[in-house]
Parts: sequence; C-alpha cells; structure tokens
Amino acid sequence: GEDVEQSLFLSVREGDSSVINCTYTDSSSTYLYWYKQEPGAGLQLLTYIFSNMDMKQDQRLTVLLNKKDKHLSLRIADTQTGDSAIYFCAEMKSNYQLIWGAGTKLIIKP
Amino acid sequence: EAGVAQSPRYKIIEKRQSVAFWCNPISGHATLYWYQQILGQGPKLLIQFQNNGVVDDSQLPKDRFSAERLKGVDSTLKIQPAKLEDSAVYLCASNGPLEKLFFGSGTQLSVL
Repeated sequence: GEDVEQSLFLSVREGDSSVINCTYTDSSSTYLYWYKQEPGAGLQLLTYIFSNMDMKQDQRLTVLLNKKDKHLSLRIADTQTGDSAIYFCAEMKSNYQLIWGAGTKLIIKP
Repeated sequence: EAGVAQSPRYKIIEKRQSVAFWCNPISGHATLYWYQQILGQGPKLLIQFQNNGVVDDSQLPKDRFSAERLKGVDSTLKIQPAKLEDSAVYLCASNGPLEKLFFGSGTQLSVL
C-alpha cells in the first residue's frame, strides 16, 4: 500500500526531548517532510530531508532517516509549550505525489 | 514574501447549497493544490494544477466538486450541492523549490 504511518499521540514533559516517528512504504521516495499544524491553522513546513541523506539538523530539530527500514523521525530538543501541535510526516514519491500520515499530536506536560 | 491567500476563512451552509473557495498562491509558484482535511486526519489531495492544467484529480468527487485555475494563477474550488460529509477544512497549497509545499490558512466549511 501507500501508507505513511505515525502514532496518534505523544506526551512529553516541558524541557525534555520529543521524538516523533513515521514509517513509509515507497523506497523510491525523493523527499520526506515534517509539517506542523497548530489549532485552526494551516500546515507549516518545519523541515525536510532528501532521500540520500541520513540526518539533518536545524536548531532544535533533528531529522533521522533510515532508508533500509523506511523509518523517519523528528527530534525536538528542549520541548516548549509552543511546540504543542499536530506533526505530519509526508513522503514525496518519484511521481511527485505526496503521501501524508494522519499526524501525531504532541502534548506538553508542565 | 506574501504567503498563500485563501478566502473565506469560515463558511457555514446547509446541505444541498453551493459554496466556492478562492486561493491565490505565492507569486511564481506554478503548482497549486487543493486538499481536504477532515478533523483528526491528514490532508487528502483533491486536485493538483500545474499552471492552468490539471495534473491529478483522481480523488476529486467530480459529481459535486469542480475546480479551475484560469490564467495559471489563482484558483477556485466549488462544491455543488454540498453534503454533510463535506464538512472539513479546505487547504490550498503551492509548490516552491525542492518540492516544498506552502499552505494557506484554509477555509473551514460546516455543512448543516
């Protein structure tokens, strides 16, 4: 199938690291993306990784890509209350079709 | 740089009525997408335009949904007649470098 799968919820304490995981199915995917959606807002591109990379770091965000296992993760260091949102993983297939996960809701505990 | 503009922000209609949404993509972005996002789900592609041509409309319910992108710039999405299950957020996006999608704030449609 063409599923991109994510856990529905993740709960972390403020100040801890959050790790949001995603699995995908198409080994020929070109790009993989992480989008953030806050309540009542559109989707905001957080970061992306090209399929020939295995890691990308951008300030508090670290993306890890394991192509063998078709596993993508997003690590948010020093999680803050403003990080509360739904995080979507998406893969760009070789035909430029974008396949989306259902989203992981990140809940921050004080 | 201006973002993707969408209007209206909210719309409430009764079933069997018609509704139209408008989108103006980021200047210079050739690819425009309309997505439907039902609460608790990821976005579902309805239609993808490349300039003013349709690239993919395989998931567009063509008996009630239509979309156009005249002159390859802004776009309208219409639903006629609306059903209760069309209640969702309708998101427009345009495609920048490295295939990165930029989304508008969406139109929240409630069909009563």
